[in-house]
Amino acid sequence: KAGVTQTPRYLIKTRGQQVTLSCSPISGHRSVSWYQQTPGQGLQFLFEYFSETQRNKGNFPGRFSGRQFSNSRSEMNVSTLELGDSALYLCASRQRDLNTGELFFGEGSRLTVL
Amino acid sequence: AQSVTQLGSHVSVSEGALVLLRCNYSSSVPPYLFWYVQYPNQGLQLLLKYTSAATLVKGINGFEAEFKKSETSFHLTKPSAHMSDAAEYFCAVSGLMEGSQGNLIFGKGTKLSVKP
Repeated sequence: KAGVTQTPRYLIKTRGQQVTLSCSPISGHRSVSWYQQTPGQGLQFLFEYFSETQRNKGNFPGRFSGRQFSNSRSEMNVSTLELGDSALYLCASRQRDLNTGELFFGEGSRLTVL
Repeated sequence: AQSVTQLGSHVSVSEGALVLLRCNYSSSVPPYLFWYVQYPNQGLQLLLKYTSAATLVKGINGFEAEFKKSETSFHLTKPSAHMSDAAEYFCAVSGLMEGSQGNLIFGKGTKLSVKP
C-alpha cells in the first residue's frame, strides 16, 4: 500500500511569489491534515480537510489556503510568500474520523523563500 | 488549551544505555497521546499511542511509554539504545477540545544522539 505522497519534495521561490503543494493520501483515507515545521516554531497545525470540507484551521494568516478534491487528494497554497514561510510542509492522512486514528505523514515539501 | 512540553531539546546516550525522553501534557479532558519519530529528511512515523486503554503502551523498535495521570506525563523509554535510534522525537496530544477535531498539538521535539 503506497504511503502519503507529497510533491514537490524541494522548491525554491522568491518573496512575493505563490506556491502550491500537493498531497496524495493513503488509499481509503479521507482526512488530510497539513503542518508547517520550522526550527523555531516546531510543528504547527495549518488545517484539516475531510470529505472536501475544511474541518479545522490553525492560527495562520489567510495567505495560507488549501482544498481537497473528491479523490481525497489535497493541495495547499501560500500566496505572497515571505521569508518566514521557509519551512518543511508536512501532509498527513488519517483513515478514521476519530482523534485516536493514527496520522500517517508524508516526507514533506521543503520550501525555501529567498 | 492543550499543550505539550518536552524537557530537553537534546539528549545524548551511549549505545546500550537507557533512553528516557520526557513529555508532560496539559489537558482538561482525557487526552490521547502520541510519540512520533522523525529521521533526517523524512516525515514523522508513529512510535506508539495512548488512547485510554492500558497505561503502559508498547510501540515499535522496542520503545514504550507510560501514561501517568497524576503527573500529567507520558515519558518515552527504551531499555537499550541502538545507533539507529538517533533521530528527533515528538510527543503530541490530540486537540480534542472546543470542536477542534483532527489536529495534533506537538511538543518542540527532542533530538536523540547515540554515542558508540
